[in-house]
Amino acid sequence: AQSVTQLDSHVSVSEGTPVLLRCNYSSSYSPSLFWYVQHPNKGLQLLLKYTSAATLVKGINGFEAEFKKSETSFHLTKPSAHMSDAAEYFCVVSGPRGSGNTGKLIFGQGTTLQVKP
Amino acid sequence: DTGVSQNPRHKITKRGQNVTFRCDPISEHNRLYWYRQTLGQGPEFLTYFQNEAQLEKSRLLSDRFSAERPKGSFSTLEIQRTEQGDSAMYLCASSLAWPGGVQPQHFGDGTRLSIL
Repeated sequence: AQSVTQLDSHVSVSEGTPVLLRCNYSSSYSPSLFWYVQHPNKGLQLLLKYTSAATLVKGINGFEAEFKKSETSFHLTKPSAHMSDAAEYFCVVSGPRGSGNTGKLIFGQGTTLQVKP
Repeated sequence: DTGVSQNPRHKITKRGQNVTFRCDPISEHNRLYWYRQTLGQGPEFLTYFQNEAQLEKSRLLSDRFSAERPKGSFSTLEIQRTEQGDSAMYLCASSLAWPGGVQPQHFGDGTRLSIL
């Protein structure tokens, strides 16, 4: 079975300071991992995805995530927060890759990012 | 690419009524997914289609729920005899799949269902 645990339900940072949103996953096979962002009353937007051997993944809006198999982690980072980054962030697992991949996504509980001026 | 479109955006209905939601995926996408998101939680998978075939249904999808994708394009999700616990955001997503892989899903803005 697959699962995702987001270690913080709320994270508060000041504008211009780094962002770290933590995610651990559990999977019995090699997973695909994603981070999605959701602004209030909107659908989900893909920030980045891990599906290959490149363990450091760059996404949109300056976000990055590093896949660490030994730690079963996929933490999301950004060097400098903007006010517009305030939203709900979801760490997501899917898989296995290849034939038989239903693409079904399993979401974490979400982390609310607050950005203070 | 006009994105995934969901209608209506909001639906308010009385308990016991039937409701139907529609999802129009990105035109070239052969996969279509439905998820349900309750307040403060991450979305949960309900069901998915490859073209017109419904290939998997979650145990969350009780017999009051039915989904169709009759021509492999748009999809409908119907809830019969609605209950208070059905109040949620219903999200649709689509993607392109091929033997050996599947692209990330693109989500619509959802339909928010409120049961009075």
